[in-house]
Amino acid sequence: AQSVSQHNHHVILSEAASLELGCNYSYGGTVNLFWYVQYPGQHLQLLLKYFSGDPLVKGIKGFEAEFIKSKFSFNLRKPSVQWSDTAEYFCAPRGAGNNRKLIWGLGTSLAVNP
Amino acid sequence: EPEVTQTPSHQVTQMGQEVILRCVPISNHLYFYWYRQILGQKVEFLVSFYNNEISEKSEIFDDQFSVERPDGSNFTLKIRSTKLEDSAMYFCASSDRVSGSGEQFFGPGTRLTVL
Repeated sequence: AQSVSQHNHHVILSEAASLELGCNYSYGGTVNLFWYVQYPGQHLQLLLKYFSGDPLVKGIKGFEAEFIKSKFSFNLRKPSVQWSDTAEYFCAPRGAGNNRKLIWGLGTSLAVNP
Repeated sequence: EPEVTQTPSHQVTQMGQEVILRCVPISNHLYFYWYRQILGQKVEFLVSFYNNEISEKSEIFDDQFSVERPDGSNFTLKIRSTKLEDSAMYFCASSDRVSGSGEQFFGPGTRLTVL
């Protein structure tokens, strides 16, 4: 079965702290991986994505994620968070090729205290 | 910057009533999607649409649901007879490609409340 597990549902950090949000997925076949972010009152928007090649991908606003195939993981990281990173973060794999739907995790609510 | 829009932002309806949720995808996109998120639960895929037909649908997307692209710009989701459990945030998304860099762009959502 296709599924995603995000380990941290609520994270509270102080500014400048490092962030790592866990994501593990279960998916048969080739997978594309996405992290989406939803800032308060805004649309879901793409943070970063992995399709192939270098397993360490960089996204917007200093975020990066590492695809570890053997662990079925795609953890999101940021070395130093800012108050403006307060948002909901979603890990979402998608099958490559004709399988187009995104499979969603529960999301992680990140609150960064100034 | 082009964006996906959705109307209305909030919809309150009585159980058993029909609702139509509207979406205007990004103009040159070819693939369209509806997802929903019940409060406190995961975002769930409902349906994908390409070339004027459904490409894939989930178990949730039963006979009470339908989608349509009535003109060159709108993409609608109709729920014929709403149930209490249809209360959720409904998100529309579009992409210009299926694979490759086919990022899905999301609208702001319509919050549907069924009483």
